[in-house]
Amino acid sequence: GAGVSQSPSNKVTEKGKDVELRCDPISGHTALYWYRQSLGQGLEFLIYFQGNSAPDKSGLPSDRFSAERTGGSVSTLTIQRTQQEDSAVYLCASSLYGGDSYEQYFGPGTRLTVT
Amino acid sequence: KQEVTQIPAALSVPEGENLVLNCSFTDSAIYNLQWFRQDPGKGLTSLLLIQSSQREQTSGRLNASLDKSSGRSTLYIAASQPGDSATYLCAVKRIQGAQKLVFGQGTRLTINP
Repeated sequence: GAGVSQSPSNKVTEKGKDVELRCDPISGHTALYWYRQSLGQGLEFLIYFQGNSAPDKSGLPSDRFSAERTGGSVSTLTIQRTQQEDSAVYLCASSLYGGDSYEQYFGPGTRLTVT
Repeated sequence: KQEVTQIPAALSVPEGENLVLNCSFTDSAIYNLQWFRQDPGKGLTSLLLIQSSQREQTSGRLNASLDKSSGRSTLYIAASQPGDSATYLCAVKRIQGAQKLVFGQGTRLTINP
């Protein structure tokens, strides 16, 4: 079946512009996660959605970052007023449920370059 | 705070050898541990998931073990092949706090033909 998909695969933007990154989770998966992978920082958690519960935003690095999940499916990560330090690969993952036992499946990522 | 360490950072071995990748974590209160591979410019592919109550999991030539009390996991790759060349990441899911994975920095593996 279809895995997690993300778009765009690559995005180059100028400093100060806003960007939107999209994630389509595996159908039927109720939990959705965003992570960021940057050189020297490894993979960092950003935000977690589980069903209709309030999202866990504890990993968002600043208030320029926000995310939403519409209809319990597609999610959009928005970065406002991008900075060069936002350059990274943004990875989305989904799992059947957000509870303890469930495996997370990752998308191919969006490579963001801020010039 | 949970910290995950992978040693070595890079490993290069001839084709056909058996090898072990190491992962250690500081907080033993985990739900599970997951091993991934990442090919250059690609996302993460899940290899094995070990629940906290399990000692090991096997998939083909891969075997992952978990010793929760000592905070260690190993990924054993038998009869390595050039196609195994990738970065291998381990990640743990903590019991406390956010429902997130905490990742190690990865081991970059090269299998030489």
